[in-house]
Parts: sequence; structure tokens; C-alpha cells
Amino acid sequence: GESVGLHLPTLSVQEGDNSIINCAYSNSASDYFIWYKQESGKGPQFIIDIRSNMDKRQGQRVTVLLNKTVKHLSLQIAATQPGDSAVYFCAESYAGGTSYGKLTFGQGTILTVHP
Amino acid sequence: NAGVMQNPRHLVRRRGQEARLRCSPMKGHSHVYWYRQLPEEGLKFMVYLQKENIIDESGMPKERFSAEFPKEGPSILRIQQVVRGDSAAYFCASSPTSRTWPSFGEGSWLTVV
Repeated sequence: GESVGLHLPTLSVQEGDNSIINCAYSNSASDYFIWYKQESGKGPQFIIDIRSNMDKRQGQRVTVLLNKTVKHLSLQIAATQPGDSAVYFCAESYAGGTSYGKLTFGQGTILTVHP
Repeated sequence: NAGVMQNPRHLVRRRGQEARLRCSPMKGHSHVYWYRQLPEEGLKFMVYLQKENIIDESGMPKERFSAEFPKEGPSILRIQQVVRGDSAAYFCASSPTSRTWPSFGEGSWLTVV
């Protein structure tokens, strides 16, 4: 079946650097793409979403870029902090499905921020 | 405001036993989702329920797994005759409508020995 996947399983950065986490998706019918952060022993926490008719969206210290031509999604974290260390998942949602809450998750990227 | 509450947080079961995982959605949320996460993998959708109704169970294994969300009380994910492959983290999420992103609980970790 169609799935969402990630290029890099791990990413290590120094505190203060910018981080870029990438994701490839295969379902061109998806309407939304979402980034979640999962800290150890906890549930996923919503970070930011982007609709498929957009190519960029900014939040607080985070920016999501969507390239539909190559089916690529990225999450940029500015001035990365130790508290940003977590596993980051991209997920997709199809508005024509039963619910936005029926998400297809990628495998995840482990972000480690060194002080 | 309390978030999505799941219990137990950790559960150990012997092969062949039953596991029951409970989820209390956030206040005002009538839509509940269950996801399973195997070690070092992403979450996989299992089932979507709305008070007393199963809306989408396309991700549920055909046998041994069932879910309910009664009019009163928490949603229950039930796994009968557990096997070692059922060992995973099970996450519940809830939302107020079908057009809002769900909030996740902290998960229930099932270990089958």
C-alpha cells in the first residue's frame, strides 16, 4: 500500500544549529501533511501541518516545506535546543477518508541535540 | 484540562492471556482512534470509533482484536489470546470532530512473555 517514509533515520546537531528533517511520501491524493514530535515514553505531539495546496508554512521556530513535484516534505527547526531532542514523524491525512484522524505515519527520524 | 488518559501504562501478559487497554478521551471529544507502534517503527492506524460506533476498523487484525467505545466510560482495546508479536505500544487519540487533528495519549506498553 502507499506509505510515508523518511530518508534519514538519525540526525545529530549542535545546540543553536538549524535542523532539517526530511520525508518522502507516495500518496499524491493526501490532502494534509503533518509533523509530530515524540519524546521518549510519550505520545506524539502535533507540531505543524501543511495543506497540499501550499508549499510552505511557518510556525514558531519551525517551517514545513512541501514539494509536490518530487513528493517531498521537510521540517526545519531553527536554533535547535536540547529540548527538541525527540523522534520526529511525518504523517499524511486524506480529507476524503473517514476522518482527518486516520493518519499514515512514516518511520521517524531521531533528532539528538548536543549542548 | 486533562489530556487523553490511557491505562495501564505498562502491562505484562503471558501468551494466551487477554489484554485490555483503556482510553479516556479529552473532555468534549467523541472521536477516538487507536494506533499501534512496534519498536523503532511509526504508528499504524488500527481503528476509529465514535461513541458506540466503529467507523473505520481497516487497520485492525482480523482475529483476536476488538475495540469498543460505549456510551458511558472509556474506550477499550481488547486483545484476546495474546502472542509475542502483540508486544508494542498502543496509543489512543481523540478529537472533537472528524475534521480536527487528534491529540494523543501517552500510550500503553504491552509486553507478552
